[in-house]
Amino acid sequence: KAGVTQTPRYLIKTRGQQVTLSCSPISGHRSVSWYQQTPGQGLQFLFEYFSETQRNKGNFPGRFSGRQFSNSRSEMNVSTLELGDSALYLCASSSSESSTEAFFGQGTRLTVV
Amino acid sequence: AQKVTQAQTEISVVEKEDVTLDCVYETRDTTYYLFWYKQPPSGELVFLIRRNSFDEQNEISGRYSWNFQKSTSSFNFTITASQVVDSAVYFCALSEKGTSGSRLTFGEGTQLTVNP
Repeated sequence: KAGVTQTPRYLIKTRGQQVTLSCSPISGHRSVSWYQQTPGQGLQFLFEYFSETQRNKGNFPGRFSGRQFSNSRSEMNVSTLELGDSALYLCASSSSESSTEAFFGQGTRLTVV
Repeated sequence: AQKVTQAQTEISVVEKEDVTLDCVYETRDTTYYLFWYKQPPSGELVFLIRRNSFDEQNEISGRYSWNFQKSTSSFNFTITASQVVDSAVYFCALSEKGTSGSRLTFGEGTQLTVNP
């Protein structure tokens, strides 16, 4: 069974640009969550999607958005990139909305210059 | 609000030593879940264990063991006879009832280095 797949693995963008990251959950999993990991703030919850609906959202500005498709794949978008958005973005998938286990991908390392 | 604290930022041990990683949590809920994850240099968070708030039994899995004590709001993780491959950042995390396991509050992480 394939794990959580995130693409791309590495990305370099310029301030002011926008970026889209992709996450394919484990087959059969319907819940996808996104986290941002930085040296200063640690691991922080961004948002969670289940059955194409955003169920939870963390304390991030509106520049951070996401969506989930009918096949459970998810994308997150960051617009008007800032230097502080440089981070490892991790995606996690769970089997259902009530599942208590989350399985993570290897992440996308975004560098904003 | 929920909070997880891992007071040990870095721990360095010599191979075959036992090492305990501390985790203290805060939550107002009576039903919650506690987790440990391992993050090797590759970046992926590897799930190690989940404990629910009603199950205070200690868990042992090979060289790993976990001690959950509700009285002190602690969920400590011990690696027995550590190995170089155990070197990684370890995160303790919490999720509350009403949110799925996908909404986790993480501690700051403990960087464990096992030297040969």
